[in-house]
Amino acid sequence: DADVTQTPRNRITKTGKRIMLECSQTKGHDRMYWYRQDPGLGLRLIYYSFDVKDINKGEISDGYSVSRQAQAKFSLSLESAIPNQTALYFCATSDFLAGEGGTDTQYFGPGTRLTVL
Amino acid sequence: AQSVTQPDIHITVSEGASLELRCNYSYGATPYLFWYVQSPGQGLQLLLKYFSGDTLVQGIKGFEAEFKRSQSSFNLRKPSVHWSDAAEYFCVGRGSTLGRLYFGRGTQLTVWP
Repeated sequence: DADVTQTPRNRITKTGKRIMLECSQTKGHDRMYWYRQDPGLGLRLIYYSFDVKDINKGEISDGYSVSRQAQAKFSLSLESAIPNQTALYFCATSDFLAGEGGTDTQYFGPGTRLTVL
Repeated sequence: AQSVTQPDIHITVSEGASLELRCNYSYGATPYLFWYVQSPGQGLQLLLKYFSGDTLVQGIKGFEAEFKRSQSSFNLRKPSVHWSDAAEYFCVGRGSTLGRLYFGRGTQLTVWP
């Protein structure tokens, strides 16, 4: 979805390096998410944010941190990258609609392929 | 525990044939269910979603899915597959925790010409 952009699209780095992945959205959604995808495992939630002041850990947050700089921007950092963090990373946003019982449909960016050597 | 299961890792069909991808869910209450498609090198695109009401849901690209509470299933169907449908398909559920999605492991679809 072109309304959710991720940079960079591909990144190769070395063990121990600090890496930041960025996500921007023009959909006007309050909620943003970071996932990682590994072959055969589907997507797993790393962190999510329901608004600028609200950050929550997902199921696999160890080794990661996030920053919600603005409603439209949500960054994921790997403080000291390790090889098992090699994966495809997705950012998503959602459109929680309280009046409809909270549809919360998520829309995904194109992904960032990260390789840690 | 809330979960979504896709029993088929890989399915191969001929172009023009019908398609059904299976999905089973485990939730205490009525779940919110989605099907997403991921083409090679692409992000996830929403095909359709079910929240309530009519149990047969129409989506984009000619796909539909039927919610069957008695079978805890939400299978995706298409009457005639096109070569461009080759992709990975994910069944996804959302339970009581807002924002928390449960992904199936995906079904890879191969389409023979």
